[in-house]
Amino acid sequence: EPEVTQTPSHQVTQMGQEVILRCVPISNHLYFYWYRQILGQKVEFLVSFYNNEISEKSEIFDDQFSVERPDGSNFTLKIRSTKLEDSAMYFCASRPPDRAYGYTFGSGTRLTVV
Amino acid sequence: GQSLEQPSEVTAVEGAIVQINCTYQTSGFYGLSWYQQHDGGAPTFLSYNALDGLEETGRFSSFLSRSDSYGYLLLQELQMKDSASYFCAVGGGGNEKLTFGTGTRLTIIP
Repeated sequence: EPEVTQTPSHQVTQMGQEVILRCVPISNHLYFYWYRQILGQKVEFLVSFYNNEISEKSEIFDDQFSVERPDGSNFTLKIRSTKLEDSAMYFCASRPPDRAYGYTFGSGTRLTVV
Repeated sequence: GQSLEQPSEVTAVEGAIVQINCTYQTSGFYGLSWYQQHDGGAPTFLSYNALDGLEETGRFSSFLSRSDSYGYLLLQELQMKDSASYFCAVGGGGNEKLTFGTGTRLTIIP
């Protein structure tokens, strides 16, 4: 079964450093998303991406965040200057063009800011 | 805004049936989904309701009542591996984001 692949699985970074989280969505999917989940809490929407541009972003997704699809397969989330409160699990997700449900999530990147 | 409420914890016996409820308040509605998440894992899609009624997928069924802004996930023939967190979520369609509920931690006991 096709998978959404995320790397790295775990990243530890110092406060103020930049991190890039990488995702390879399922090849025929057109809608891409980043979500995050602080430990023990619900999954929160960050940003959606379609047709090579951001289609919606949440209040969490401020100027320190950016997303990019640098080539036909990768989808990245960059956090420019990490804060302690950015520590969370970050999930990439994608959805096929032919149905309105059934998002496929990657296995996530656990980001720890120290 | 959108908000979804679920019970925080539910415990059930192996082999039994359990229902996890979800009530929601949304400004628009495209459908109610259910996702399963094991500790440390990714959310995995279980079921989706766009219209009122019951959808059945193997041991899992999901119900929606749009007039009551209410849905539930029904798990039958519970197995130990069903111990996980279950999230309802609204959204879908176009590039619509998913808004997740507070999550229900289901514990199965022998």
